[in-house]
Amino acid sequence: DGGITQSPKYLFRKEGQNVTLSCEQNLNHDAMYWYRQDPGQGLRLIYYSQIVNDFQKGDIAEGYSVSREKKESFPLTVTSAQKNPTAFYLCASRPGTRSDSGANVLTFGAGSRLTVL
Amino acid sequence: DAKTTQPPSMDCAEGRAANLPCNHSTISGNEYVYWYRQIHSQGPQYIIHGLKNNETNEMASLIITEDRKSSTLILPHATLRDTAVYYCIVSRGASSNTGKLIFGQGTTLQVKP
Repeated sequence: DGGITQSPKYLFRKEGQNVTLSCEQNLNHDAMYWYRQDPGQGLRLIYYSQIVNDFQKGDIAEGYSVSREKKESFPLTVTSAQKNPTAFYLCASRPGTRSDSGANVLTFGAGSRLTVL
Repeated sequence: DAKTTQPPSMDCAEGRAANLPCNHSTISGNEYVYWYRQIHSQGPQYIIHGLKNNETNEMASLIITEDRKSSTLILPHATLRDTAVYYCIVSRGASSNTGKLIFGQGTTLQVKP
């Protein structure tokens, strides 16, 4: 079945360490997104990519980095510069080449929960 | 993209219809209304979307007022598995849109036995 796979599901990190969250999709979607969710809050956009080898900052990009070397992969690195990295991270994708309203139907992964000790 | 307003929480009895309201008074003519839901500790799931006509699929119905300033998501026969946070989002539908959807705090629907 097609979908988005995020790994790891749970991750613990010591302060000062960088960690990379994996996001892989087999939906042949062009656009991919990373969101952050804090307890009781909505989702905030970190980075997004509409095409391979190109990506843009979202609303809270500081302390994060991404790459998009392959269409199916969009890893997120949480760097030591991120002051409060403990959160639930969600990856999503969409068929960006569509020109109708379906272009905004996002498919989400199951999420990765990062805890900084 | 237009901003939306939803009640923070609602209750519904199992087997009854759940009607979740959303206000989007500043919606533009080319903006669609999208609904997603998020079950605890999972990724959000797309439910339905519409422009101005009422829409129905296997999950829910979407009723949009004639002036398009508000809408209602209807779950016709709510089950305990429908307990989740429901997000109402307004966004343009064209692919030229970056796809940056704004997820607010949504409505927490609690379905009770």
